[in-house]
Amino acid sequence: EIVMTQSPATLSVSPGERATLSCRASQSVSSNLAWYQQKPGQAPRLLIYGASTRATGIPARFSGSGSGTEFTLTISSLQSEDFAVYYCQQYNNWPKYTFGQGTKLEIK
Amino acid sequence: EVQLVESGGVVVQPGGSLRLSCAASGFTFDDYTMHWVRQAPGKGLEWVSLISWDGGSTYYADSVKGRFTISRDNSKNSLYLQMNSLRTEDTALYYCAKASLPMVRGVHFDYWGQGTLVTVSS
Repeated sequence: EIVMTQSPATLSVSPGERATLSCRASQSVSSNLAWYQQKPGQAPRLLIYGASTRATGIPARFSGSGSGTEFTLTISSLQSEDFAVYYCQQYNNWPKYTFGQGTKLEIK
Repeated sequence: EVQLVESGGVVVQPGGSLRLSCAASGFTFDDYTMHWVRQAPGKGLEWVSLISWDGGSTYYADSVKGRFTISRDNSKNSLYLQMNSLRTEDTALYYCAKASLPMVRGVHFDYWGQGTLVTVSS
């Protein structure tokens, strides 16, 4: 099983600042990496797939990068609605999909 | 508009059984692999099971293998999860999720339902 490790567990950032979230895979997942956003009481929402492609309707302030085992989600200028929990997911090791444990992005 | 609506979650005793349903609309259901993903209270996401577009292939997480069975009825645009021998650690919000591309393996999920809560407790 591929283990996905996200860091940090909690990130405190002020509105308008940049946030950088990390995700590491225990073995290469190529670019088969997605990021999801989850707000309290809501289902996860797809943000990024293929490590760097924004999903439909996702603002340009969200960007993804990386390949292999190291990935980054960057939010360039945080808006109030961006404070949430973010999960990475690998889908390279089909059918054993795995998620990271999540990073909680909170207001500083 | 794609919609996924889960139902069937209740409180059940350890060792009991339950069947979850997911009603799908807004897309050609029988073209897409479907998944169940769960989230224990206050915890992260755990992939549970998938079924291929034609129902011919099914896969399970080790934590539920032999106890859960995924199925689908393409004539009813519905996905199911039969859960047997339930344990307290199966307590979670269960989401159904849609694969992003038709008839393709190993792709991300583009739509999720709102989830149905299963509580296993005596």
